Amino acid sequence: DTGVSQDPRHKITKRGQNVTFRCDPISEHNRLYWYRQTLGQGPEFLTYFQNEAQLEKSRLLSDRFSAERPKGSFSTLEIQRTEQGDSAMYLCASSPMGAGELFFGEGSRLTVL
Amino acid sequence: EDQVTQSPEALRLQEGESSSLNCSYTVSGLRGLFWYRQDPGKGPEFLFTLYSAGEEKEKERLKATLTKKESFLHITAPKPEDSATYLCAVRSGNTPLVFGKGTRLSVIA
Repeated sequence: DTGVSQDPRHKITKRGQNVTFRCDPISEHNRLYWYRQTLGQGPEFLTYFQNEAQLEKSRLLSDRFSAERPKGSFSTLEIQRTEQGDSAMYLCASSPMGAGELFFGEGSRLTVL
Repeated sequence: EDQVTQSPEALRLQEGESSSLNCSYTVSGLRGLFWYRQDPGKGPEFLFTLYSAGEEKEKERLKATLTKKESFLHITAPKPEDSATYLCAVRSGNTPLVFGKGTRLSVIA
């Protein structure tokens, strides 16, 4: 059994470019979460899906951010027109419905120059 | 709004020197308190879930306890491989987990 998989692990981009991250959850987990973590801080919630439905979005999620989970399997998080403040670790997690604990991937580290 | 405060921010221990990490929380109706371990550059690794005051969970050198206002992660006779950041998170209702900033633990041989 594989855990949550994220790709790419590292991304360096120039300000103003678009980036996309992919997350493959643990199979049969119907909930998928995106969190963002900066140095010295705990993970901050961005958005989550139950199957293909996006159920909640944080106020942190500006209109430059969009997330999808087509067919309730993998998910993508796209950031348009990146800014230096977007530099962070983007964490994906999954859980079966009804379970409290989340299982995280290794994260995708974004550096915006 | 749910809040989680962890202390201390950083802790340095000698190998074998037992200690405790604190997680204070404010929630409207606790549905679970979670402890995670995070190594540098990696995602958080799930350790424990606690649901009600008085509950305790153990794993190797770690023991987590819960009261109505806080949780403790006790580390007994730590080893250098226990060095990591330990994160506490809470859930109330159907909201996603809210995390604290973590405690950075260094265990020196």
